Amino acid sequence: DADVTQTPRNRITKTGKRIMLECSQTKGHDRMYWYRQDPGLGLRLIYYSFDVKDINKGEISDGYSVSRQAQAKFSLSLESAIPNQTALYFCATSPRFGNEQFFGPGTRLTVL
Amino acid sequence: QQPVQSPQAVILREGEDAVINCSSSKALYSVHWYRQKHGEAPVFLMILLKGGEQKGHEKISASFNEKKQQSSLYLTASQLSYSGTYFCGTGAYNQGGKLIFGQGTELSVKP
Repeated sequence: DADVTQTPRNRITKTGKRIMLECSQTKGHDRMYWYRQDPGLGLRLIYYSFDVKDINKGEISDGYSVSRQAQAKFSLSLESAIPNQTALYFCATSPRFGNEQFFGPGTRLTVL
Repeated sequence: QQPVQSPQAVILREGEDAVINCSSSKALYSVHWYRQKHGEAPVFLMILLKGGEQKGHEKISASFNEKKQQSSLYLTASQLSYSGTYFCGTGAYNQGGKLIFGQGTELSVKP
């Protein structure tokens, strides 16, 4: 069974629509992250959460919001999607006293 | 600010060596290296901490030059399985697990 899961895996939507990407983990990790990946730009941090009550903006948070519903769940929302947000989105987790980040399989989002 | 990786892409024959560099304009506390194979999620390779020693993972090793704010990843006697995109992620002191990743280096190993 996958330790970090993301739903949906693929999504095509239209400009202006509200979209939610979900991430769940069974690793028991406190820390969770959302990244987007674009060709040539690498992985860019959108939001991160060190525990349920600690949520922080990353490098590129404009146009995004997040919700940490429980230790195991971290959702990313696009309130009004725009074509520029077309990308591959990864969720990742890490333990409080550890260094390795464990990535989910990714969600490919296309905004038309 | 994102660390800068060089080269952006490299093509090798099996058995050849490669070096991937990662440079930051900010003082570094840690450098993390990840590899992402095509169509898959990134996977952790190793971490280097300030004041730490050079690390190794099979025939892949890395160094961390604190003064120059640089890290280098060394791949020796490359194998086909080494193909993928390599990312460095830099961490600052007191930032917990937060990383800023470079733009990636695409490595292709040919038979």
